[in-house]
This record gives sequence, C-alpha cells and structure tokens, in this order.
Amino acid sequence: DAGVTQSPTHLIKTRGQQVTLRCSPISGHKSVSWYQQVLGQGPQFIFQYYEKEERGRGNFPDRFSARQFPNYSSELNVNALLLGDSALYLCASSRTPGDSPLHFGNGTRLTVT
Amino acid sequence: QQPVQSPQAVILREGEDAVINCSSSKALYSVHWYRQKHGEAPVFLMILLKGGEQKGHEKISASFNEKKQQSSLYLTASQLSYSGTYFCGTEMTRAGANNLFFGTGTRLTVIP
Repeated sequence: DAGVTQSPTHLIKTRGQQVTLRCSPISGHKSVSWYQQVLGQGPQFIFQYYEKEERGRGNFPDRFSARQFPNYSSELNVNALLLGDSALYLCASSRTPGDSPLHFGNGTRLTVT
Repeated sequence: QQPVQSPQAVILREGEDAVINCSSSKALYSVHWYRQKHGEAPVFLMILLKGGEQKGHEKISASFNEKKQQSSLYLTASQLSYSGTYFCGTEMTRAGANNLFFGTGTRLTVIP
C-alpha cells in the first residue's frame, strides 16, 4: 500500500500570497492531521480532521484553514503568507482519531520570500 | 505544553549505547517516539501508555515514569542506521485524538 502522499514537495511563495497544500492518506485511514515543522524544531499540531469534520485545532491564526474531502484526502490553506510561515508542512493519517501510530508523509517544504 | 528533550545532540560510535530523555510539566497519558532522517518523514518507533509496560523493539526500548512525567528512549549497540533526529510526542489526555505535542528533538549521529 502507498504511504501518505503530499503535494507539492516544494513551494516558493511571496509574502501576502495564499497557498494550498494537499494530502492523501493511507488507504483505509479516515483521520488526517496537519503539523508545521520549523527548521530545527519538532512538529507543531495545526489541525485534525475526521469524517470531513474538524476534530482538533492547534494554536495557529485564522489564516490557517483546512478541509477534508469524501475520499478522506485533505487540503491545508494558508492565507496572507508571512515569512514566519516558512516551514515543512507534514500530513499524518491514522484509521481513526485515537488510533496509533500516526503515519507521516514526507511533507511540503514551503518557503516564503 | 511542549515536552523538553535532552540531550539536544549526541555522537556515538557504532556499538555504543545512548539514552534520550523526554520530560513534561503536565501529567501525561501517553508518550510516542519517532525518528526522522534528514529530508524524510518521521517514522514511528513506539508508544508508551499510562499504566502500560516498558516497550521494546529489537535494540531500542523505552520507559515511561508517570509520576515524574518522563520517558526515556534506550538505544543499545547502536548501528549506523540509528542516525537521525529523535522526537518524543506527548498526549495529556486520551480524548480520542492524536494531537501530539512534540519536543525539539535529539540529533543522534552514529559514526563507524
């Protein structure tokens, strides 16, 4: 089975722009979580979605939003990009919200200039 | 709520042992350990649950001291493939979610 897939792998945007990141979970996994990993730091939780509903939200501004589709894939949107949004964005999936472990994708490297 | 890991970095020769510590100021329900190699996704190693037993996987094992809100990862007879950054992720409650708080990581380098 394919693992968690994310696209694009790299992205360069300028301040003020908007970006959409995509994630396809492992087949059979219905829960998708998003994490932000700044260089040299551990991943920080942004969102969790299950059955198309938001189940959890981390301490991120409203510029960050996400959604999950009927096929359980997910998109993360970030508006009005700031330089500080430059990071590796990781998507993780699990069968259900409480199921372990989390399976991570390779991430999308976002650079904001 | 972010756990603190120590040491920040360690260099080992093949065959040596290492201990990585993770501590929290909050009561923990579970501790998850991941290893991330440069440019790759974090890979799950093991989970330790409140009230559970010490876990082991080949030469990598871990413990969870609930009273001290601490977990330790033990790597014995290290191999070159153990190199990477190790993260602990913590859950305060079992609210049916996997909203993990990750530490800042421990960079492990194993040299021949």
